Amino acid sequence: DAGITQSPRHKVTETGTPVTLRCHQTENHRYMYWYRQDPGHGLRLIHYSYGVKDTDKGEVSDGYSVSRSKTEDFLLTLESATSSQTSVYFCATSDSLNQPQHFGDGTRLSIL
Amino acid sequence: DQQVKQNSPSLSVQEGRISILNCDYTNSMFDYFLWYKKYPAEGPTFLISISSIKDKNEDGRFTVFLNKSAKHLSLHIVPSQPGDSAVYFCAASVRGRDDKIIFGKGTRLHILP
Repeated sequence: DAGITQSPRHKVTETGTPVTLRCHQTENHRYMYWYRQDPGHGLRLIHYSYGVKDTDKGEVSDGYSVSRSKTEDFLLTLESATSSQTSVYFCATSDSLNQPQHFGDGTRLSIL
Repeated sequence: DQQVKQNSPSLSVQEGRISILNCDYTNSMFDYFLWYKKYPAEGPTFLISISSIKDKNEDGRFTVFLNKSAKHLSLHIVPSQPGDSAVYFCAASVRGRDDKIIFGKGTRLHILP
């Protein structure tokens, strides 16, 4: 297992508030990813990082920002949460290109 | 537009029988395919992969078959066990270009006693 910790595991907040989700890895993997999982949509990539301070957008990046100041930490921020961002968020890492990704156990986020 | 399609949302199979999960893709550039398994309240875990230079890859009870001309792959589980009850995600990527993997919507497999 890649030693991926997501925090918090559950969060309930109100529309319009900022939210930050944290992903911490202990395996020194170069690549880190944020996905959201929704019924009927499977896993969709939000943002990913290919190194410290190097990030890029995924398929559903609107309304989200990320930061990676250290190899081990990848933060996902919702600047002003909306109800459409209620979802389960997964962080993943991979050691190199074309290697399977390892996932954390997810954060269940509810925006009321 | 869905590039990776899992058209069966769910599948029920008797314990001990073969489970076959199917996946279709539309992007002919995909050359690396993966299957992930997910239990409730846990993250997906990698199960098995196949490169487009092969048409079959086997790992214990799990075999993935790739038909490039049909843009179709399938995961066979033989024999099916109760612990195989989970959601299975098919995924695909283009090797050497970037590491963005495209996932299907998943198929929920129920193994019946």
